[in-house]
Amino acid sequence: AQSVTQPDIHITVSEGASLELRCNYSYGATPYLFWYVQSPGQGLQLLLKYFSGDTLVQGIKGFEAEFKRSQSSFNLRKPSVHWSDAAEYFCAVGARGYGGSQGNLIFGKGTKLSVKP
Amino acid sequence: DGGITQSPKYLFRKEGQNVTLSCEQNLNHDAMYWYRQDPGQGLRLIYYSQIVNDFQKGDIAEGYSVSREKKESFPLTVTSAQKNPTAFYLCASSRAGELFFGEGSRLTVL
Repeated sequence: AQSVTQPDIHITVSEGASLELRCNYSYGATPYLFWYVQSPGQGLQLLLKYFSGDTLVQGIKGFEAEFKRSQSSFNLRKPSVHWSDAAEYFCAVGARGYGGSQGNLIFGKGTKLSVKP
Repeated sequence: DGGITQSPKYLFRKEGQNVTLSCEQNLNHDAMYWYRQDPGQGLRLIYYSQIVNDFQKGDIAEGYSVSREKKESFPLTVTSAQKNPTAFYLCASSRAGELFFGEGSRLTVL
């Protein structure tokens, strides 16, 4: 069965420190991979996505993620965290379909990021 | 500005009542989706629609109903058959594999 695992429920980092959020997926083929961010009481915003090509993907707000097929992982990284990065982060996988993913993504349970001053 | 508009943002319902959540988009996207979000559970797909007048059940469709009479609109009805309806509901549309989300509707059953 398709699934997404985010092993860390809650992470706290100091402002200016580096960040890595983990994501592992279970899927029968190469999926489309996404990272979304959600501020409290808000909708989700796309940070970055991987469809094909270069396995290191750059996103908005200084985030990047690396697709590692051998490890079935798509970890999110940022070299220096800002207080405004405090939010919840969701990894998601999508099936390949005509014209792109089918859109009905499978989401991980999320990792809540807190930032210490 | 183009986007997804959900209303109401907050809604309270008594047990046994049906309630309809509105979702409108002006992005000209064919596909639209409803997700339910519970604390620590991520997002779970309720229903989706790839085209007008057609929709498919997601993973947790029981107790919910939808319609798709117009491309721009995909309302979700939470019926009295939904045993645990208190949650945050997110509507989305998609293009080229990317989901665009609304701001969500928080439903509380009293």
